[in-house]
Amino acid sequence: IAGITQAPTSQILAAGRRMTLRCTQDMRHNAMYWYRQDLGLGLRLIHYSNTAGTTGKGEVPDGYSVSRANTDDFPLTLASAVPSQTSVYFCASSESSGGAYNEQFFGPGTRLTVL
Amino acid sequence: SQKIEQNSEALNIQEGKTATLTCNYTNYSPAYLQWYRQDPGRGPVFLLLIRENEKEKRKERLKVTFDTTLKQSLFHITASQPADSATYLCALEDNYGQNFVFGPGTRLSVLP
Repeated sequence: IAGITQAPTSQILAAGRRMTLRCTQDMRHNAMYWYRQDLGLGLRLIHYSNTAGTTGKGEVPDGYSVSRANTDDFPLTLASAVPSQTSVYFCASSESSGGAYNEQFFGPGTRLTVL
Repeated sequence: SQKIEQNSEALNIQEGKTATLTCNYTNYSPAYLQWYRQDPGRGPVFLLLIRENEKEKRKERLKVTFDTTLKQSLFHITASQPADSATYLCALEDNYGQNFVFGPGTRLSVLP
């Protein structure tokens, strides 16, 4: 049982380049999330998806886009990376959004450095 | 403005003692609150969820309280062990009942 996988594990990227972080879950969860984690700021929600075919903006969506073509995959794209997007990115999933069924399962993270 | 605070950035305690971590929030009215554990270089792992109508929840050596009047949750680890050393995050339901918002975390070190 894999749970949630993320790729790549880490990446160094030149500013202005396009980058897609991949996230796949095998738990058939309806809801998926992308967070960034920065020292002193904790986990901040970038985008979320309550179910396949729908997405929503979180606390810090600017500069990022997502898609949810199917239940399992939830890629995060940086259209034109900037140094302030240097962070550790976590993908998570839960059975549903909100409420008592929102126990979130996190992936191992992607460490992204934008130079 | 909305805010979630966790007592201190770091907490050191002696093995065998009870660790108490605090999560305070402002301008939220969560029906649910969660606690997660995060080890260095890894993603958070869910520990416990408590509902607003539950005063206390226990799981093995863990105990969580939720006081909606004080707008506070306390997380206790009894008989702490060095293996309990990690960062602990609280997360509470946002005001739309849509997603959970995370606190900054407290890094707990249990000293042998």
